[in-house]
Amino acid sequence: GAGVSQSPRYKVAKRGQDVALRCDPISGHVSLFWYQQALGQGPEFLTYFQNEAQLDKSGLPSDRFFAERPEGSVSTLKIQRTQQEDSAVYLCASSQRLLRGLENTEAFFGQGTRLTVV
Amino acid sequence: SQKIEQNSEALNIQEGKTATLTCNYTNYSPAYLQWYRQDPGRGPVFLLLIRENEKEKRKERLKVTFDTTLKQSLFHITASQPADSATYLCARGTGFQKLVFGTGTRLLVSP
Repeated sequence: GAGVSQSPRYKVAKRGQDVALRCDPISGHVSLFWYQQALGQGPEFLTYFQNEAQLDKSGLPSDRFFAERPEGSVSTLKIQRTQQEDSAVYLCASSQRLLRGLENTEAFFGQGTRLTVV
Repeated sequence: SQKIEQNSEALNIQEGKTATLTCNYTNYSPAYLQWYRQDPGRGPVFLLLIRENEKEKRKERLKVTFDTTLKQSLFHITASQPADSATYLCARGTGFQKLVFGTGTRLLVSP
């Protein structure tokens, strides 16, 4: 596609409900990232995939957060038993793979999914 | 911790003036820094990347500097326009391209 696509754009969940957020990266991009952005803050890293391999999940705030990218393209971020503190914008980004040790190129971000837990 | 710090107060300037935004980093010497623009309700959009061995980089009306002695990057928009109003984010890259962002600085350009 022309850019990174995320769905839904908005999600309201009752506390305790499970949610699934979808990301369609740019075709051919090997690297995929999830970030969480609270109001008035910069995005914070959650997790990173290279193809289907989840190479870094150090930013996931708890074991209620789970991400997958089974076929190396579309990714889903799942949040179980949502809490009010999970309310934020969840951003997905993709970029071309580079050899380790070289500078990275730009990351292309989707518009995000705004999650509100009530 | 390895922080990226940006002025959280909004910057208000008049159209035609040069806007200068600051990004400071602590406890780490990043190999490069990136600058992004973010509009309300949208994801960040990449603007410029500057390496630690580059003192300055330009793109159209944008200019970024990188001072490893001061641990600081400055982002300039010359001949600013109301359409430049947005939040500007500074970020450093780590390892496999994970980005650590600052909080962003909101720029408002008045006609």
